[in-house]
Amino acid sequence: QVQLQESGPGLVKSSETLSLTCTVSGGSISSYYWTWIRQPPGQPPGKGLEWIGYIYDIGSTNYNPSLKSRLTISVDTSKNQFSLKLSSVTAADTAVYYCARGRWGNLPLYYYMDVWGKGTTVTVSS
Amino acid sequence: EVVMTQSPATLSVSPGERATLSCRASQSVSNKLAWYQQKPGQAPRLLIYGASTRATGIPARFSGSGSGTEFTLTISSLQSEDFAVYYCQQYNNWPPLTFGGGTKVDIK
Repeated sequence: QVQLQESGPGLVKSSETLSLTCTVSGGSISSYYWTWIRQPPGQPPGKGLEWIGYIYDIGSTNYNPSLKSRLTISVDTSKNQFSLKLSSVTAADTAVYYCARGRWGNLPLYYYMDVWGKGTTVTVSS
Repeated sequence: EVVMTQSPATLSVSPGERATLSCRASQSVSNKLAWYQQKPGQAPRLLIYGASTRATGIPARFSGSGSGTEFTLTISSLQSEDFAVYYCQQYNNWPPLTFGGGTKVDIK
């Protein structure tokens, strides 16, 4: 059974770079959209979910346009890991960050997340 | 960007009753819609994809319907473990993938 685990600092200073890694265990990192999603704190649990972007195993990426200028997602297939770097963070980047496995296809089109990590809280401090 | 709007924000239901949750898209997303359940302190769990197909292991009391811009998630007889927040997500027009703001189902 595939499991995902996020890791990285829980506290990042404003204007610095947020870096997280997701380790995939129990399965191959091939053939899926390895996805990052975040959820700011607040009700109902947290605010809504925000899609950050994904990387495909060959290294192709797709990013949320609102974050694209600050975002890099990379993959290390030898370690079964993929990573997120978000630069120039502000308090608005404080959130629970989830990594997830995206099932995808083109004919017919589909892309949804069927396996999620437990999430990691990242707080941006001033 | 496709805006997903869920209603109501909170739904109070007694155990054993039916719950009906709505999700509306700002433009047609065909049947490219998924539903997720999230409990406090947990990650979301995939319930439904393709607007009406249950994910692996999801009980039959969960059903999804709709196409275009109007979608419904129905829980036929609420169990104690179903009290949670539910999100819809469209995957017809992206980037970005977009989610609704969620509906919290709580105990009446």
